[in-house]
Amino acid sequence: GQQLNQSPQSMFIQEGEDVSMNCTSSSIFNTWLWYKQDPGEGPVLLIALYKAGELTSNGRLTAQFGITRKDSFLNISASIPSDVGIYFCAGQNYGGSQGNLIFGKGTKLSVKP
Amino acid sequence: KAGVTQTPRYLIKTRGQQVTLSCSPISGHRSVSWYQQTPGQGLQFLFEYFSETQRNKGNFPGRFSGRQFSNSRSEMNVSTLELGDSALYLCASSLGSLAGPPTGELFFGEGSRLTVL
Repeated sequence: GQQLNQSPQSMFIQEGEDVSMNCTSSSIFNTWLWYKQDPGEGPVLLIALYKAGELTSNGRLTAQFGITRKDSFLNISASIPSDVGIYFCAGQNYGGSQGNLIFGKGTKLSVKP
Repeated sequence: KAGVTQTPRYLIKTRGQQVTLSCSPISGHRSVSWYQQTPGQGLQFLFEYFSETQRNKGNFPGRFSGRQFSNSRSEMNVSTLELGDSALYLCASSLGSLAGPPTGELFFGEGSRLTVL
């Protein structure tokens, strides 16, 4: 089945730093989404992308839908402590019996000691 | 407005037992999806319901089942529990549409953490 490769698996951030993470797939998706999950909570949608090449921002977050439709990246600028958490990319196809989200394994953001 | 509510939040069962988890979606949302989250496999799609009908199903054995009621509330059931069923079960709701595809813009609950001993 379809799988998403999300990297890096984990990273440490220092307040004020910019952060980048990405997701790649061997097959194309019609929609790319980015979610964040805090401990003890469910994932929360950050950004949804619907068109190849689309670049969308949500505050300090910027995400892009790759031209090939097989990848997406998320940037966080000027990180702050509350950015800590696990970030998931998700791809979606629809049509026929499909429609569910395929999630990456997540990128865990922690504060640099 | 109230978010997605899942009950119970935590439960412990033993192998062979069965469990029922409940999900109340955001008011007005007609689509409910269920996901299993484990450290090894991540988030895996179980099934999606819209207007009391199962629209999509993931690659899980038949021991995993679900249903949706006329008020859009949903339940999932796992029978003959195995140790590997220990996981966080997440419910997500969305507006949904009869005409269009299921939206990926999901609103998740806090999950039901199941431990199987």
